Amino acid sequence: GAVVSQHPSWVICKSGTSVKIECRSLDFQATTMFWYRQFPKQSLMLMATSNEGSKATYEQGVEKDKFLINHASLTLSTLTVTSAHPEDSSFYICSATAYNEKLFFGSGTQLSVL
Amino acid sequence: RKEVEQDPGPFNVPEGATVAFNCTYSNSASQSFFWYRQDCRKEPKLLMSVYSSGNEDGRFTAQLNRASQYISLLIRDSKLSDSATYLCAYPLSGGYNKLIFGAGTRLAVHP
Repeated sequence: GAVVSQHPSWVICKSGTSVKIECRSLDFQATTMFWYRQFPKQSLMLMATSNEGSKATYEQGVEKDKFLINHASLTLSTLTVTSAHPEDSSFYICSATAYNEKLFFGSGTQLSVL
Repeated sequence: RKEVEQDPGPFNVPEGATVAFNCTYSNSASQSFFWYRQDCRKEPKLLMSVYSSGNEDGRFTAQLNRASQYISLLIRDSKLSDSATYLCAYPLSGGYNKLIFGAGTRLAVHP
């Protein structure tokens, strides 16, 4: 089946630094990618929808200047958490689809901000 | 009503038991629903899709009750390996794969 690779799996960073998370579709062209965040014992919360070649659409309450999303190619979307703070510590996960066909999830990134 | 609501559990059941979870949803127009299984700090994995009244796959049965706006997941003959969090989801408007998830129901199957 199709594979979505997400990197890194774990990242620990100091408060105030920026962290980039990559989401790659390995064997299909992902026209749309979604970024979610999940705090412990809570649901996956949709942060933004990313369409290749256009600006991401952010969900209400998600700061677009803090969570920069780039989807410059059909196989890669990146999420950059800028000036990370401890409250940004969370599990971040992407999902990808091609023309609204099947949906595939990346393996997730656990971010810990010290 | 929350968009998606699930009993967080945990449901602690012995091996071989039958267990059922419910998930209520607010969008009466939604046509498709999904049950995902998520292990700790892993990606959710699609367990079942529900488009009409229900779906069955081996030990797993999903049912949709449109009148009461809930979907259910029944697991028969529980295995230790069924221990996980079960998430229900359905599409938000604006995209078939733009999913909104419930917080999940934790299942712990013990020997």
